[in-house]
Amino acid sequence: DQQVKQNSPSLSVQEGRISILNCDYTNSMFDYFLWYKKYPAEGPTFLISISSIKDKNEDGRFTVFLNKSAKHLSLHIVPSQPGDSAVYFCAASETGTYKYIFGTGTRLKVLA
Amino acid sequence: SQTIHQWPATLVQPVGSPLSLECTVEGTSNPNLYWYRQAAGRGLQLLFYSVGIGQISSEVPQNLSASRPQDRQFILSSKKLLLSDSGFYLCAWSVGPYGYTFGSGTRLTVV
Repeated sequence: DQQVKQNSPSLSVQEGRISILNCDYTNSMFDYFLWYKKYPAEGPTFLISISSIKDKNEDGRFTVFLNKSAKHLSLHIVPSQPGDSAVYFCAASETGTYKYIFGTGTRLKVLA
Repeated sequence: SQTIHQWPATLVQPVGSPLSLECTVEGTSNPNLYWYRQAAGRGLQLLFYSVGIGQISSEVPQNLSASRPQDRQFILSSKKLLLSDSGFYLCAWSVGPYGYTFGSGTRLTVV
């Protein structure tokens, strides 16, 4: 049972345009969400987070939106750069469980 | 500053052989420690986590086991590897609910 889903395995975007990566979850008890970026043969690196008490969090070119009623979050990257090409994972956690559940990832390719 | 060390970076092992992957954390005390596996098309699957010495929680029934003999050491083991154990293994740590820091990973190929 996949509690965190990323239904788009891949996405291609032109350099300078917006990249939108989507993530859905099923557990209404999740209250903290993260996005990680991963290059091949490396560990994931933290990008941005959002708590369930917010619906938006922004950090430079990266913005995460949370729609609790739809159990949906998205990561916007504006403007997209070729160095953003990587696999992006969303992750969700329920307070007190000490663990994050990750989605299957979306491979983003930014075309120069 | 906190750092996490994971080794080896790559490993090729025959079916039926044992496995030991080690992870150590520096610069923090009493971290929560995690083992994840990335298999083809499966995302990051949580295998084990530990909130203290000797405390191991298993998330997925499988051929693997984990141990935490010291506060900042986490070991992933198997007595007999299967082909299906191949994947990219990641160790991670946290000291609160606000996300992990991952190690650089171990690429395990069982042949």
